[in-house]
Amino acid sequence: DIVMTQSPDSLAVSLGERATINCKSSQSVLYSSNNKNYLAWYQQKPGQPPKLLIYWASTRESGVPDRFSGSGSGTDFTLSISSLQAEDVAVYYCQQYYTTPLTFGGGTKVEIK
Amino acid sequence: QVQLQESGPGLVKPSETLSLTCTVSDGSISIYYWSWIRQPPGKGLEWIGDIYYSGSTNYNPSLKSRVTISVDTSKKQFSLKLSSVTAADTAVYYCARGLTSRGRLVWFDPWGQGTLVTVSS
Repeated sequence: DIVMTQSPDSLAVSLGERATINCKSSQSVLYSSNNKNYLAWYQQKPGQPPKLLIYWASTRESGVPDRFSGSGSGTDFTLSISSLQAEDVAVYYCQQYYTTPLTFGGGTKVEIK
Repeated sequence: QVQLQESGPGLVKPSETLSLTCTVSDGSISIYYWSWIRQPPGKGLEWIGDIYYSGSTNYNPSLKSRVTISVDTSKKQFSLKLSSVTAADTAVYYCARGLTSRGRLVWFDPWGQGTLVTVSS
């Protein structure tokens, strides 16, 4: 199985400041035939199901604010929130779909400082 | 906008079989993968398995011996059965639509609201 490791476990950021979440995979999720990274990011607010934010490591889902951005390749990825808003308080998960079983990171909790 | 809703018992006794159904509304059940994912209280997400609308299945090897996923396209429903449950199977169970790329399951969108299943005598 590909193990997805997120860091930090939690972070507190002031409103309007940048939040950065890291995700590392135990093996590369870059598919050489199409040069795409098989990685998605989700946001889970309290009491709600996860919501898709980003796929192919950097493509924002329709309707997702542009303050959310994804970057990285191979085994190291980052989700950034450029200017944290109150509604961004949530747990964020990365997920690889390079191979089955599909696996998720342990989550990063983002709070307001 | 497709919506998913889980249904089933919220309490299951140890050693018995957990059974859940997901109903798909406002959208087609064809073309996509349909998945089950669970989240133990306060913990992360675990993919259980999926079924293509045609009936082919994929299961997480960690659960494969105990899992069966089936689909009823006429009712726009798919179901999960997990046998020989223990307290470790206590979790919120989500159903989700699996998107595809080149015939492969990729990401999940949307998800149902989830249903808490507690395993306890």
